[in-house]
Amino acid sequence: AQSVAQPEDQVNVAEGNPLTVKCTYSVSGNPYLFWYVQYPNRGLQFLLKYITGDNLVKGSYGFEAEFNKSQTSFHLKKPSALVSDSALYFCAVRDGDNYGQNFVFGPGTRLSVLP
Amino acid sequence: NAGVTQTPKFQVLKTGQSMTLQCAQDMNHEYMSWYRQDPGMGLRLIHYSVGAGITDQGEVPNGYNVSRSTTEDFPLRLLSAAPSQTSVYFCASSYSGTINNEQFFGPGTRLTVL
Repeated sequence: AQSVAQPEDQVNVAEGNPLTVKCTYSVSGNPYLFWYVQYPNRGLQFLLKYITGDNLVKGSYGFEAEFNKSQTSFHLKKPSALVSDSALYFCAVRDGDNYGQNFVFGPGTRLSVLP
Repeated sequence: NAGVTQTPKFQVLKTGQSMTLQCAQDMNHEYMSWYRQDPGMGLRLIHYSVGAGITDQGEVPNGYNVSRSTTEDFPLRLLSAAPSQTSVYFCASSYSGTINNEQFFGPGTRLTVL
């Protein structure tokens, strides 16, 4: 069975500092990994995904994520945080070898960027 | 494109009442799904559909029904509302041609069951 863990409920960072939101996963086949962001009272918006290839994936709004197969991690990063990055972030995984498997989402991490 | 639309935005029900949450997409996506979002639990899959006429259960299907008569619409029916169904409900869609496609989400329906 697939699972996603986001070990931090909340991450606080000062504006201008680098940020990291952590995600680890478990899947039996090849992992297809996704990051989504949710602003207050809004639906989820796609940020980036890893399917295959380069372990460093670049996405929207200056975010990037690093896939680490040995550590089964897919941490979200940004070199310089903005106050407007404050939101709820979700990591999701899908089994790339099993078309019948659906997305599994982590519990979410609330990011607060302090001015 | 309007993307994924959901109605209503808010709803309050009494225990035992039934209702239908509407979801529509104009992107010709074959795959559509319904999730519920509860604090600290992320999104949990209720039902999904890989195309018109085909639906299947997700992780938490009890108390909900779905149908998919057209590619565009995927309504979620609460048969007899219970307080445990108080949640925020999201509809999502994606291309189903390959498994690596991201999902597009609607704005959500906030449901309270008294």
